[in-house]
Amino acid sequence: SYELTQPPSVSVSPGQTVSIACSGDNLGDKYTSWYQQRPGQSPVLVIYQNTERPSGIPERFSGSNSGHTAALTISGTQAMDEADYFCQAWDSTTAVFGGGTKLTVL
Amino acid sequence: EVQLVQSGPEVKKPGESLKISCQVSGYSFTKYWIGWVRQMPGKGLEWMGIIYPGDSDTRYHPSFQGQVTISADKSISTAYLQWSSLKASDTAMYYCARHISTLGTMWLDYWGHGTLVTVSS
Repeated sequence: SYELTQPPSVSVSPGQTVSIACSGDNLGDKYTSWYQQRPGQSPVLVIYQNTERPSGIPERFSGSNSGHTAALTISGTQAMDEADYFCQAWDSTTAVFGGGTKLTVL
Repeated sequence: EVQLVQSGPEVKKPGESLKISCQVSGYSFTKYWIGWVRQMPGKGLEWMGIIYPGDSDTRYHPSFQGQVTISADKSISTAYLQWSSLKASDTAMYYCARHISTLGTMWLDYWGHGTLVTVSS
């Protein structure tokens, strides 16, 4: 079965730029989405189709996908961005999630 | 406004059956896939399966095939997830989510608030 791999944790200072990677076999041939989950809350879609932002998601969130790696980049990171982030791709007839990355804003 | 309202928390014993629900509003229930995602305590997201309420086409992740049943009632815009015999390992938060399907891919754009299922003797 298809697998997506994310680093367990990433840290960033307020105002800096951080990227969270998601790797999978030929992931660049698939569309990747990203979800933010704050503690005790439901996940929220922040990026879909590799680079698209849903209405209401700040412009500081962006995405890319090429080769075997997709990335979520947060520019000018704010304290409110501290959360778990999950990548997701569609493989044949099922969705696959990465294991999640805990973003800490120090 | 799109809303997915899930049923309340459940506490069950091993071997018991359970059916949890997700009632939607703000969009045409029969025109979008809707599915379920499991999150075990302190763990990540696991996609369980989806149903297209328009024709009841249902797909399961291999890990959940035969373990749960996903269904929908178009008359009340509600999707369901049910178990015939719960196990302690079914203890988790369960989210319903609307799926957008296009260009051979899907993503989950609206999520419910989650239903906590606790299975303990």
